[in-house]
Amino acid sequence: EVQLVESGGTLVQPGGSLRLSCLASGFTFRAYSMHWVRQAPGKELQYVSAINSNGDRTFYTDSVKGRFTISRDNSKSTLYLQMSSLRPDDTALYYCVRAETGTYNDWGQGTLVTVSS
Amino acid sequence: DVVMTQSPLSLPVTLGQPASISCRSSQSPEYSDGNTYLNWFQQRPGQSPRRLIYKVSNRDSRVPDRFSGSGSGTDFTLTISRVEAEDVGIYYCMQGAQWPVTFGQGTKLEIK
Repeated sequence: EVQLVESGGTLVQPGGSLRLSCLASGFTFRAYSMHWVRQAPGKELQYVSAINSNGDRTFYTDSVKGRFTISRDNSKSTLYLQMSSLRPDDTALYYCVRAETGTYNDWGQGTLVTVSS
Repeated sequence: DVVMTQSPLSLPVTLGQPASISCRSSQSPEYSDGNTYLNWFQQRPGQSPRRLIYKVSNRDSRVPDRFSGSGSGTDFTLTISRVEAEDVGIYYCMQGAQWPVTFGQGTKLEIK
């Protein structure tokens, strides 16, 4: 069974930093691209960032470019999202997602990031 | 970015009755490999999204056959043949053909 378990979400002040982690199991982690998708309270889903299977290509939505860094450790089956210069509009539930061409196969349960003073 | 527009945004349905959700994309979600990467996800209250349909009409395993997807070009539809209580939630379409992937606004299905 595929499992994606996110962690690291918490309350942080504007301008602060945070690192999210996603521990994967139940599939060959190194074979898949992985994405982060977020959902602000009561809002729709928004793609945030993606990384290819071996980690040498990364992608970001415009609003997080230069502030967020996605990475992965295939030896630990773990995906990361380093977040800095956080803003109140980054407040959301952040999902780790297993991706294949054109689709999202599996989602984690999400980790909540709240940016507030 | 490709804009995905869903309608209606709110869908009250009587148990046992059919329901349909429309999704229109600003550009075709057909990829260079010939596949049309149009997906449907269900998000039940308090849960993560789960995929129901991929490539327009392919139903995921463990998804009841009352769910079906159809469409082509820029117009797509998710149909539930007979709504059950467990179908309450928000439904999203998503295109995965063009970068970045984009989602519709979501359609909230509730029981009348």
